[in-house]
Amino acid sequence: DSGVTQTPKHLITATGQRVTLRCSPRSGDLSVYWYQQSLDQGLQFLIQYYNGEERAKGNILERFSAQQFPDLHSELNLSSLELGDSALYFCASSPGRWWSGNLPEETQYFGPGTRLLVL
Amino acid sequence: DAKTTQPPSMDCAEGRAANLPCNHSTISGNEYVYWYRQIHSQGPQYIIHGLKNNETNEMASLIITEDRKSSTLILPHATLRDTAVYYCIVSHYGGSQGNLIFGKGTKLSVKP
Repeated sequence: DSGVTQTPKHLITATGQRVTLRCSPRSGDLSVYWYQQSLDQGLQFLIQYYNGEERAKGNILERFSAQQFPDLHSELNLSSLELGDSALYFCASSPGRWWSGNLPEETQYFGPGTRLLVL
Repeated sequence: DAKTTQPPSMDCAEGRAANLPCNHSTISGNEYVYWYRQIHSQGPQYIIHGLKNNETNEMASLIITEDRKSSTLILPHATLRDTAVYYCIVSHYGGSQGNLIFGKGTKLSVKP
């Protein structure tokens, strides 16, 4: 158990719909990352938040958005869903203490994932 | 693209050591070598990481060559539960600048 929790575990929805995936990071971690794993693309980075602010962006579609709340949990919103959005969505967290001046060790710890099926 | 090269698959007998190689010839001086594994469709599990020295923890050992262009992950006594896809990742500060780039990894099959 990594300490990262994700809900729901499974989600089945229809094309055109909107869903929200939720992630709670490990206690004390300030950074949250979202990844998508589809059969043909492998694990791909989507977006990172640090202490409520967007820090880095990967191959995230404009139909997708995310935010990190003051209590540090994060939500990934997927809208106008298409069949190709069916995938596993993983959240990861890391301490985020790379401003400490020391050589940082930002090991990312992953949650169990949300399996999204768009029909 | 991933900056590492791994064999697509390997077999290992239960109870024997599993040695998983990784080439990262373009690694820069401030990049770490990280190893994760993914069992079936579970979330990737952190195993170990290192910068230049060999590292050992309760799960595995990481041997990094002196020129840092390659490394080997060693599972000392593989069990059936170690069957998974193993990813070798090179990253600045463990991905603090955004992301881990996952390649295709090595599918390790531990056989009885």
